[in-house]
Amino acid sequence: DIQMTQSPSSLSASVGDRVTITCQASQDISNYLNWYQQKPGKAPKLLIYDASNLETGVPSRFSGSGSGTDFTFTISSLQPEDIATYYCQQYDNLPTFGPGTKVDIK
Amino acid sequence: QVQLQESGPGLVKPSQTLSLTCTVSGGSISSGSYYWSWIRQPAGKGLEWIGRIYTSGSTNYNPSLKSRVTISVDTSKNQFSLKLSSVTAADTAVYYCAREGWITMVRGVPWGWFDPWGQGTLVTVSS
Repeated sequence: DIQMTQSPSSLSASVGDRVTITCQASQDISNYLNWYQQKPGKAPKLLIYDASNLETGVPSRFSGSGSGTDFTFTISSLQPEDIATYYCQQYDNLPTFGPGTKVDIK
Repeated sequence: QVQLQESGPGLVKPSQTLSLTCTVSGGSISSGSYYWSWIRQPAGKGLEWIGRIYTSGSTNYNPSLKSRVTISVDTSKNQFSLKLSSVTAADTAVYYCAREGWITMVRGVPWGWFDPWGQGTLVTVSS
């Protein structure tokens, strides 16, 4: 199984701050990585697919990069509506998700 | 646009079989080259992929659950279903259905991303 780790596990930032989350795979997964946003009590929502492609309709303040084992997810200017938990998901092998990063407003 | 909705009992007794159905609306389950997946999330925890089905009936399962899982599809009803046998308290979770889109074959097998998702349904295993 491919294991995914995320850091940090949680963070607090101010509105307007740049927020960065990292995701690391236990082996090379090329660019087979997606990012999701999950708000409390809701289903996850796809934000980024194939490491860096923004899903249609997703605000451009969200972005992703990376390949191989190391990936980064960035919110360029944190907004109040971005409060959520963010998950990475690999699909090099059977899909597995990272443990999530909870983002709060400071 | 396509929407998914899970349905089924919210309470299942230990050792029994959990059965859920996902109804797809706003489009045909057979259109496009999509897979249809089940994913679960225990309260306060992360996401676990359970398995998926193609409309041909071809399935893939998480090895950790494979011995207990069956996913089937009914294209005439635009539905796909999950059965998980011999449940225990560890199977208590919110269960989501989701469509899997893809553009990449990974070692000859299409895998991709989950979008959209159903709203999820809580299944509690308890006597």
